[in-house]
Amino acid sequence: EAGVTQSPTHLIKTRGQQATLRCSPISGHTSVYWYQQALGLGLQFLLWYDEGEERNRGNFPPRFSGRQFPNYSSELNVNALELEDSALYLCASSLYGTGGTEAFFGQGTRLTVV
Amino acid sequence: QKEVEQDPGPLSVPEGAIVSLNCTYSNSAFQYFMWYRQYSRKGPELLMYTYSSGNKEDGRFTAQVDKSSKYISLFIRDSQPSDSATYLCAMRRLFGANNLFFGTGTRLTVIP
Repeated sequence: EAGVTQSPTHLIKTRGQQATLRCSPISGHTSVYWYQQALGLGLQFLLWYDEGEERNRGNFPPRFSGRQFPNYSSELNVNALELEDSALYLCASSLYGTGGTEAFFGQGTRLTVV
Repeated sequence: QKEVEQDPGPLSVPEGAIVSLNCTYSNSAFQYFMWYRQYSRKGPELLMYTYSSGNKEDGRFTAQVDKSSKYISLFIRDSQPSDSATYLCAMRRLFGANNLFFGTGTRLTVIP
């Protein structure tokens, strides 16, 4: 069974540009979570989608947004990139009933803003 | 104050040692407690989770939760070089949003 897949693996952008990151959940999982893992800060919750709707968002500015498609895959968009947005962005999926308790993570997209 | 605190280490132990990893938290609403292992340049991998207080054992790994002290632990017996990784604790509330709150991770090296 395929795990959570994320693309691209690496992304280099210039400050002020937009970045789009993609995530395909495990088959059968309806919930998708996005986390930012910046150096020394641990994983910080960004967004939670389920059944195509945004269910919760973390303490990040509105330029971090996303969506979930009918096939449950998800996209994270970061507008007006800033240098401090450089981080590993992780996507996780779970069955809705288990909440985030049994969330399985992808390999991440490493975003570098120069 | 962060909701979840974890000593970042690094922690180095000889092969075969018993490893103890710990986290403290401040939010008494947390009811689910998880441990993840993250190898370099990889995503976190769920090791085990427990609900409320108590112990849970899975092979060489034992997770303990003491809600009265707001303290959780992961013990690794007979540690192996392959256990070298960053270990992240995570937790969530019983009700409400499903997102996890993570510690910053403890980097463990098991020396052959």
